[in-house]
Amino acid sequence: AQSVTQLDSQVPVFEEAPVELRCNYSSSVSVYLFWYVQYPNQGLQLLLKYLSGSTLVKGINGFEAEFNKSQTSFHLRKPSVHISDTAEYFCAVRRAGTASKLTFGTGTRLQVTL
Amino acid sequence: DSGVTQTPKHLITATGQRVTLRCSPRSGDLSVYWYQQSLDQGLQFLIQYYNGEERAKGNILERFSAQQFPDLHSELNLSSLELGDSALYFCASSVGDDTQYFGPGTRLTVL
Repeated sequence: AQSVTQLDSQVPVFEEAPVELRCNYSSSVSVYLFWYVQYPNQGLQLLLKYLSGSTLVKGINGFEAEFNKSQTSFHLRKPSVHISDTAEYFCAVRRAGTASKLTFGTGTRLQVTL
Repeated sequence: DSGVTQTPKHLITATGQRVTLRCSPRSGDLSVYWYQQSLDQGLQFLIQYYNGEERAKGNILERFSAQQFPDLHSELNLSSLELGDSALYFCASSVGDDTQYFGPGTRLTVL
């Protein structure tokens, strides 16, 4: 079984500041990793994913994440946030090579203020 | 727009009732997944179908059931509803073992 830990339930940050949202996972098998964003009253939108290859993954809206197998982490970063980035961010893991369920973390609320 | 559609968007009903949530996957996607999002449980996997057959079950109550039809759309049936069933229900679809794309969700309120 897989599990995901998002240590920060809320992250307040000023506009144009950098941000890092932390994600750690646990699994006894190879996994794929994902970050999804949920804007208020909307569904989940894929930000980026790691399946294999380069450990630095770039996604939409200027976000990137780095897969670190030794630390079992997949932290999400953005060098300069905007007000419009205010949303809930979910890290998720899935067993590699199979069309199987996603296991989600509890989410991190990113609050960007002026 | 992910290409996954869900109806209805909102549903308000009473305890003890039965409802059906509908999901149409992206064109070509054979896998459909159902998830429940609630304040206390977070995002939880309920059930997966692949090309009409049940593939995996998660934390789905016996009062809940689902099916996937030949045209690949899926329905989630919730019966004997309780207050605690109030949640957002998401459908996602995928082709093969790649990314799951989520629909906008159905917000169920049980009064």
